[in-house]
Amino acid sequence: AQKVTQAQTEISVVEKEDVTLDCVYETRDTTYYLFWYKQPPSGELVFLIRRNSFDEQNEISGRYSWNFQKSTSSFNFTITASQVVDSAVYFCALSEANSGYALNFGKGTSLLVTP
Amino acid sequence: DGGITQSPKYLFRKEGQNVTLSCEQNLNHDAMYWYRQDPGQGLRLIYYSQIVNDFQKGDIAEGYSVSREKKESFPLTVTSAQKNPTAFYLCASSPRGEVYGYTFGSGTRLTVV
Repeated sequence: AQKVTQAQTEISVVEKEDVTLDCVYETRDTTYYLFWYKQPPSGELVFLIRRNSFDEQNEISGRYSWNFQKSTSSFNFTITASQVVDSAVYFCALSEANSGYALNFGKGTSLLVTP
Repeated sequence: DGGITQSPKYLFRKEGQNVTLSCEQNLNHDAMYWYRQDPGQGLRLIYYSQIVNDFQKGDIAEGYSVSREKKESFPLTVTSAQKNPTAFYLCASSPRGEVYGYTFGSGTRLTVV
């Protein structure tokens, strides 16, 4: 069963628009970690953020912000004033102790930002 | 600088041949992981190892084998039993029992013809 669902397969926006990437997860563990990664066309994974299950504070880093809500099992990612360089595939991932902290990835959302 | 080295970046093999992908880390991490990426599928876990001489199957282990004889090395063999081996393979490592310091290699793109 898919533990991490990224319902948006592809999103296309015009530069300077705000965009939110959705992530819904499923776990029975009380301690778990959530991640967001960016994968540009070159293929390497770029770490964006890690959150543990006990820290529901939203976080902002420049144009990026994350909204973690345990009540809805969601960990959404918003890019404000998008730029062409934001074009990439974005992955949400879940890490649980019972799988050796391996990352369980969603299928990714491909974001295209056009000028 | 510490990191993970995956070699080669591109690999071509004929159908029916086994092929071994290299993953080496100098981060002194106990845990290592192999993931496979197909278009539209995200990354899926093949195998992981938390200590030397021990490893566990992930979600898609069939047709693959691994070994963990040294802490710094976790090679992945794609056997002829793997029905669709063409994919992008990523190796990762982390301190044992932790997610802080989770590090990915740059990947190997395997094409089987």
